[in-house]
Amino acid sequence: ETGVTQTPRHLVMGMTNKKSLKCEQHLGHNAMYWYKQSAKKPLELMFVYSLEERVENNSVPSRFSPECPNSSHLFLHLHTLQPEDSALYLCASSQVARMNTEAFFGQGTRLTVV
Amino acid sequence: AQSVTQLDSQVPVFEEAPVELRCNYSSSVSVYLFWYVQYPNQGLQLLLKYLSGSTLVKGINGFEAEFNKSQTSFHLRKPSVHISDTAEYFCAVSEGDTDKLIFGTGTRLQVFP
Repeated sequence: ETGVTQTPRHLVMGMTNKKSLKCEQHLGHNAMYWYKQSAKKPLELMFVYSLEERVENNSVPSRFSPECPNSSHLFLHLHTLQPEDSALYLCASSQVARMNTEAFFGQGTRLTVV
Repeated sequence: AQSVTQLDSQVPVFEEAPVELRCNYSSSVSVYLFWYVQYPNQGLQLLLKYLSGSTLVKGINGFEAEFNKSQTSFHLRKPSVHISDTAEYFCAVSEGDTDKLIFGTGTRLQVFP
């Protein structure tokens, strides 16, 4: 148990569906992240939130929409996804948005777009 | 720009044998270096990190890594592996005081009995 919980663990959705991924941390951290993990590719940083404000958006398509209502929760809203968006989506948190501190990762949501 | 290269996508090894997982990075400034491990169906867990000081860093589960600035490497080692070490290992680098952690493509360590 790392202190970062992601739900659901698995998700299958059609290209016209709308779904949301949820991430929750009870570590008292102030920064939260979404990463995409695809086979044979490096982890891709998608979004960074620090103190509930988005500080980084790495040219992610608008069909991915993050939301950070408070420092403990992070969502990734999905709509009109493509099959190539199928991947493992990892949430992480850290004390501050400085990567010389340890990042704690959730177990991920395995997303399949059909 | 930063980049991380893990040359070996897979490393098969027998139990109790030593192992080295290679990591090279490119950066023109000072860096922080990390190794993370991902067990099947799990998220990433920090093994060890280099921020400053001694170039030999010891982590959890008997792993250690050595920072070599001249060779821009941060190879991970364990003198005697166990079946339970079978996992994906990721090297990562962060440049200075930024909020970006750049990962390599990972090395799958497969330990055989």
